[in-house]
Amino acid sequence: DAGITQSPRHKVTETGTPVTLRCHQTENHRYMYWYRQDPGHGLRLIHYSYGVKDTDKGEVSDGYSVSRSKTEDFLLTLESATSSQTSVYFCAISPTSYRVREQYFGPGTRLTVT
Amino acid sequence: GNSVTQMEGPVTLSEEAFLTINCTYTATGYPSLFWYVQYPGEGLQLLLKATKADDKGSNKGFEATYRKETTSFHLEKGSVQVSDSAVYFCALADATGNQFYFGTGTSLTVIP
Repeated sequence: DAGITQSPRHKVTETGTPVTLRCHQTENHRYMYWYRQDPGHGLRLIHYSYGVKDTDKGEVSDGYSVSRSKTEDFLLTLESATSSQTSVYFCAISPTSYRVREQYFGPGTRLTVT
Repeated sequence: GNSVTQMEGPVTLSEEAFLTINCTYTATGYPSLFWYVQYPGEGLQLLLKATKADDKGSNKGFEATYRKETTSFHLEKGSVQVSDSAVYFCALADATGNQFYFGTGTSLTVIP
């Protein structure tokens, strides 16, 4: 299994509070991704990173920010959580390989915003 | 734009039955195509992939062929087992390789 951990694994928070989710990898892969998984929507890309301090938006980036100060860590922040951000969040990593960019997923974080 | 459409579930099959899960895509340029599998409470695992037209991806008895003329990447298995019960996702990586698009998932249950 690819060395990917996510923390926390479960979190319940209140509307309006800031939340940070962490993804940590031990594979030294260049690419890292954050997805959310919701019933009826599959997985949707929030943000991705192609190197330290290099990030870009995905399909559903509004309300989320990311940071990557080290190769191994990719943080997802909800500045002011809303109930619509209740979801399961998955981190993924991918080695550098032009186009054939297989992804390896972490175990997920279940976030509930009340 | 890019998108993936896969057949809705749930799908219930008897052990040793033939499995087909349909997947079609819309994309600009030349995408790569993937099937992922998710077991309960876990993240997604790559099942197979294909990077160009007419490529066949295969793994653990599952197969899928990249059909550019029909923009399809249907997943097949000749004889399913109870252990194949999971949710299956079809996915596309765009021509840049940076953006990924997933289908909504198809839940498969195999009964003995």
